[in-house]
Amino acid sequence: EDKVVQSPLSLVVHEGDTVTLNCSYEVTNFRSLLWYKQEKKAPTFLFMLTSSGIEKKSGRLSSILDKKELFSILNITATQTGDSAVYLCAVTYSGAGSYQLTFGKGTKLSVIP
Amino acid sequence: DGGITQSPKYLFRKEGQNVTLSCEQNLNHDAMYWYRQDPGQGLRLIYYSQIVNDFQKGDIAEGYSVSREKKESFPLTVTSAQKNPTAFYLCASTKGIKDEKLFFGSGTQLSVL
Repeated sequence: EDKVVQSPLSLVVHEGDTVTLNCSYEVTNFRSLLWYKQEKKAPTFLFMLTSSGIEKKSGRLSSILDKKELFSILNITATQTGDSAVYLCAVTYSGAGSYQLTFGKGTKLSVIP
Repeated sequence: DGGITQSPKYLFRKEGQNVTLSCEQNLNHDAMYWYRQDPGQGLRLIYYSQIVNDFQKGDIAEGYSVSREKKESFPLTVTSAQKNPTAFYLCASTKGIKDEKLFFGSGTQLSVL
């Protein structure tokens, strides 16, 4: 059973739209949730969230974590074609010895002019 | 600039052949990881290494082998025992094993002839 579930799996929007990507998780001993953007090959880091209710923001992107309801959202406002990418969510949780990290399947965002 | 270099970008494997994917980092990171990415799937952990001369199996280690003779290098060998090797392979690193923020290379696309 998947521990990290992202929705939707794909999304097509027009430039200027606002989008919300979802990531829900089900793990014990949660440590953090991370968002990555994968445009072509190498995923690049966007945010790491550890505390509930505190929004992280970077330009048009923002993310928030709800530890009670076990989910996070990634918002992108005024989308541009350069936002087209696969957005990956990963959750870390304490495991035997160190920690475990599990990725969701990603949301493929396509922004059309 | 510091980063992770993976080579080659594209690799073709003949049946029964072992192939080795290279991963080099100059970030002075202690921990290194290999992930496999299939279309529509999340990243799955193959092997990871916390320090030189030490490595552990991830979730899908069968048919793969690794070595960590130098801090900077973590090559992955896809052996003939891996019956479905076609995938995109990503190498990553973290500063230490307890750090959650992964830095990724640009990946190697492996295909079977």
